Formats: sequence, C-alpha cells, structure tokens
Amino acid sequence: GNSVTQMEGPVTLSEEAFLTINCTYTATGYPSLFWYVQYPGEGLQLLLKATKADDKGSNKGFEATYRKETTSFHLEKGSVQVSDSAVYFCARQDDKIIFGKGTRLHILP
Amino acid sequence: NAGVTQTPKFQVLKTGQSMTLQCAQDMNHNSMYWYRQDPGMGLRLIYYSASEGTTDKGEVPNGYNVSRLNKREFSLRLESAAPSQTSVYFCASSEGSFFNQPQHFGDGTRLSIL
Repeated sequence: GNSVTQMEGPVTLSEEAFLTINCTYTATGYPSLFWYVQYPGEGLQLLLKATKADDKGSNKGFEATYRKETTSFHLEKGSVQVSDSAVYFCARQDDKIIFGKGTRLHILP
Repeated sequence: NAGVTQTPKFQVLKTGQSMTLQCAQDMNHNSMYWYRQDPGMGLRLIYYSASEGTTDKGEVPNGYNVSRLNKREFSLRLESAAPSQTSVYFCASSEGSFFNQPQHFGDGTRLSIL
C-alpha cells in the first residue's frame, strides 16, 4: 500500500549546520508531496509543498525537490537556527493522506 | 483570523464515558478532517468530510463517530471511551474537496482515558 518513510530522529545539530531530513514515498499514482512542521504544544503547519516531478518547494530557507526517479522528497536547509527545533512531517496526498512518523530536530546554540 | 479552533484543549475521562470534541474553521474550507497523533505513529486519519453533508471513514474509524454540523463545524464523538483512545486529536481543514490540498490544523485536544 501507499506509505511514507522518514529518517528516524532525533536529529541534533549545532546552529548554522546544514540539515537534511530524508523522506521517501511509495511510487503508486501521482501524489502531491508536503512537509509540515510542528512546534511544541501546537498543531502542524504547512512548511512547503510540490505537486509534480522536479518541482521544488521552498519556504523560510527550507527546500525540497520532488524526485520521481528516486521517489524522494528530502528536506534541506543550509544554515539551521535554534528556532528551527521542532518535529517535521513528510506527507503524500492524492486519493489518501499518508503522513510519515515525524523527525524530531534539536538545534543547539 | 482564528483558523481552526478546537475545544477543549485537555480532557480526562474514565473508561466508558462519552464526550464530543468540537472543531470549527473560519476559512470557508470545504473539507475537514480528524486525526489522532500517537508517539511513534505519526498522524492517522480517523474520519473526514469532503463537503457539508458528507462524511467518510479514514484509516482508524473504529470507536468514533463524526458530525459535519455545517460548513464551519466538524465534531468527533467517543461513545464509550477506552484507554486505547488516549491520544492527541487534531482537527484540520483544506480548500476544495480533494486530498491534494494543504491542510490547516488546530492546536489539538489532549485526551486521557483512565
């Protein structure tokens, strides 16, 4: 069946480090792909999205490219900040909505 | 602009009790959703409503019922609460009636069943 697999956390980085959080999805159909971010005590917020192959979503310095050949949508940021500490969820959405299990990110000052 | 509002924020119930979780959105969205979030499980869809007057089961509907009261409001009811329903519940909404739209989430209801 359809699924989304994220790298397990927690991921701990120092401020200004480069971030990659891996996400892969099952290849059936033509889903839209999303990254959501959840801060403590809050609901998920849309971070970025891509709706077709080779699209790049970007927001707040984060980027992810829809790679159909590798069925991936990895999240990257060139220089993380303490305020980026949160849980990040990858999701595929088409005739179903499937979320990954989330990756907790800790940024140390 | 409040977005998606959920009430209550916290609730403790005893096994067998019933309760209704309320959700309202002020964005004129067609679709609304209920999820539960459990440690290590991500979010799982309980029920959704693609438009006013329609509801459909998601991945984990057993033990729950929903009502799409009007375009703004979508409630989730636990008729006889069980400890396995201890979770954080999130309501969400999206434009249109298709799953490929971005979801807008409330801040959640933290529910404990003793």
